Amino acid sequence: AQSVTQLDSQVPVFEEAPVELRCNYSSSVSVYLFWYVQYPNQGLQLLLKYLSGSTLVESINGFEAEFNKSQTSFHLRKPSVHISDTAEYFCAASVKNSDDKIIFGKGTRLHILP
Amino acid sequence: GAGVSQSPSNKVTEKGKDVELRCDPISGHTALYWYRQSLGQGLEFLIYFQGNSAPDKSGLPSDRFSAERTGGSVSTLTIQRTQQEDSAVYLCASKDRNNEKLFFGSGTQLSVL
Repeated sequence: AQSVTQLDSQVPVFEEAPVELRCNYSSSVSVYLFWYVQYPNQGLQLLLKYLSGSTLVESINGFEAEFNKSQTSFHLRKPSVHISDTAEYFCAASVKNSDDKIIFGKGTRLHILP
Repeated sequence: GAGVSQSPSNKVTEKGKDVELRCDPISGHTALYWYRQSLGQGLEFLIYFQGNSAPDKSGLPSDRFSAERTGGSVSTLTIQRTQQEDSAVYLCASKDRNNEKLFFGSGTQLSVL
């Protein structure tokens, strides 16, 4: 069975600084990978996903994530964060081309410092 | 409404009582998930329905938890003899079989006193 690990429960970063939120997965088969975001007092929504093809995927608000098969990672990065990026970020995985369930990590709370 | 609807939005109950949480997924979505969100635990998978297949119940924490999905649409999560550790936000999500994107409801905040 697959599992998703987010090593950092909280990440503080100054506004306009770069950030990386780490995600590692464990699976014996190929997986789809996702990042979901939960802004304060809002529901969860999809930020970006990797299904196949290019290993670098981007969101509309400047985040990107790179699928690294050898390191079983899917870290989320942004070169310059804004106060509006304050949120909790969840990494998720599911087995590719199957009806298997989607499993989430424990989340990383991103604190943007002024 | 085009989104996933959950009711009630808040539920306060006494320890030992039974509760039912309802989820109305997006019309036509074949997959329906229940997750539990609590501080420090992230999104904990509970149960997953996919079409007419037998549900994946592997995430249910005890036999006090059960769920059903009637007619491939509305789902009810039932917690019997609630305990204080059941206090959490219970989230429902649905997706179409051909799209890997999950759509989440706003959740039910359950408080067990």
